[in-house]
Amino acid sequence: EVQLEQSGAEVKKPGESLKISCKGSGYDFATSWIGWVRQMPGKGLEWMGLIYPGDSDTTYSPSFQGQVTISADKSINTAYLQWGSLKASDTAIYYCARRGAVVIEPDFVYYFDYWGQGTLVNVSS
Amino acid sequence: EMVMTQSPATLSVSPGESATLSCRASHGVSSNLAWYQQKPGQAPRLLIYGASTRATGVPARFSGSGSGTEFTLTISSLQSEDFAVYYCQQFNKWPPIFTFGPGTKVDIK
Repeated sequence: EVQLEQSGAEVKKPGESLKISCKGSGYDFATSWIGWVRQMPGKGLEWMGLIYPGDSDTTYSPSFQGQVTISADKSINTAYLQWGSLKASDTAIYYCARRGAVVIEPDFVYYFDYWGQGTLVNVSS
Repeated sequence: EMVMTQSPATLSVSPGESATLSCRASHGVSSNLAWYQQKPGQAPRLLIYGASTRATGVPARFSGSGSGTEFTLTISSLQSEDFAVYYCQQFNKWPPIFTFGPGTKVDIK
């Protein structure tokens, strides 16, 4: 059974750093892209970026480029999302999700087929 | 920049009735369109990918259609567990970007 287990809720102050995690199991973690998605309080879903754990190839949404860092350690089947200096506006639930891909002629189609339970990050002074 | 719109923002439906949700992309996305269901306090759940293929375990009352810029999710005979927020999502090949729509809330009439 495919599972993505995320780290627990965090309460931080503005300016602090943070690294949250997402551990995969039940599939070959190294060979599936993992994405991160933000959901601010009462709002919709925003894609932040993707990482391929096999070689740590990473792509970011322009909205999040330079604001966060996505990394992975394939030896322990874990992906990470980190901030160097948190802001109050980073308060949100953050989800990791596995990217699925199939060929529907003539192209590949991409989607997120398995999701973690979410990590609540609360940044407040 | 790709922009996804969903309509209506809220849809009030009685149990047993059907619901039709719309998603529009500002540029053509071929069949690169997925639908998700999210209930309060839960992570999103994949319903449909490739515009019309149901994900594993998704009941047959959920169906997706469309291609290019106009897509539809139809829920026939709504059950109590179907009242939720539904998001569409597209993938743009270059630059490689995922974009979610703003969501449609389906609530009980």
